[in-house]
Amino acid sequence: AQKITQTQPGMFVQEKEAVTLDCTYDTSDQSYGLFWYKQPSSGEMIFLIYQGSYDEQNATEGRYSLNFQKARKSANLVISASQLGDSAMYFCAMRAGVFGNEKLTFGTGTRLTIIP
Amino acid sequence: DTGVSQDPRHKITKRGQNVTFRCDPISEHNRLYWYRQTLGQGPEFLTYFQNEAQLEKSRLLSDRFSAERPKGSFSTLEIQRTEQGDSAMYLCASSLETSRERKLFFGSGTQLSVL
Repeated sequence: AQKITQTQPGMFVQEKEAVTLDCTYDTSDQSYGLFWYKQPSSGEMIFLIYQGSYDEQNATEGRYSLNFQKARKSANLVISASQLGDSAMYFCAMRAGVFGNEKLTFGTGTRLTIIP
Repeated sequence: DTGVSQDPRHKITKRGQNVTFRCDPISEHNRLYWYRQTLGQGPEFLTYFQNEAQLEKSRLLSDRFSAERPKGSFSTLEIQRTEQGDSAMYLCASSLETSRERKLFFGSGTQLSVL
């Protein structure tokens, strides 16, 4: 079974500062993918970034980067130069196992609030 | 790319009534997923389709729940004899099988309130 743990229920960050959202995962599979999604108050889940378990480089997408530490089973999201529009819920998720297992397992999320 | 659309956005019903939700995925996506999200939790997987075939169902999907994707395009999720515990956000997502990440594109969800 797969499990995602997000230990920060809420975070407050000053605008323009960098922020790190924590995510640890548990799986016995060697092949897996890790995702971060943003959920604003409108409800839609917005894809931010993906990291494959065999990827040698940490993933980056604009202001988002994923700090992937395989031995520690952590996949923290780093947002640089935070903006007011970054205020939202953030979910870490994992897909594990062979191709064909399409289920994503999500964590409980972190509510990020950017302070002007 | 018009995105994933869900209808209705909100549904209020009385306990015991049946409800049906619709999801229209991104047109070229062959996979479609249903998730349920309760307050303070992350989305939980319910079921997924590849084209018109329903390939996996969660144990969360009781006998009162049924999902269809008759022509491999839009999908419906029906809940019969609704209970208060069914109150949640129902999220639909789609993906393209051949993409590397097979990332899910989500709709805005249907918020169900059972009174």
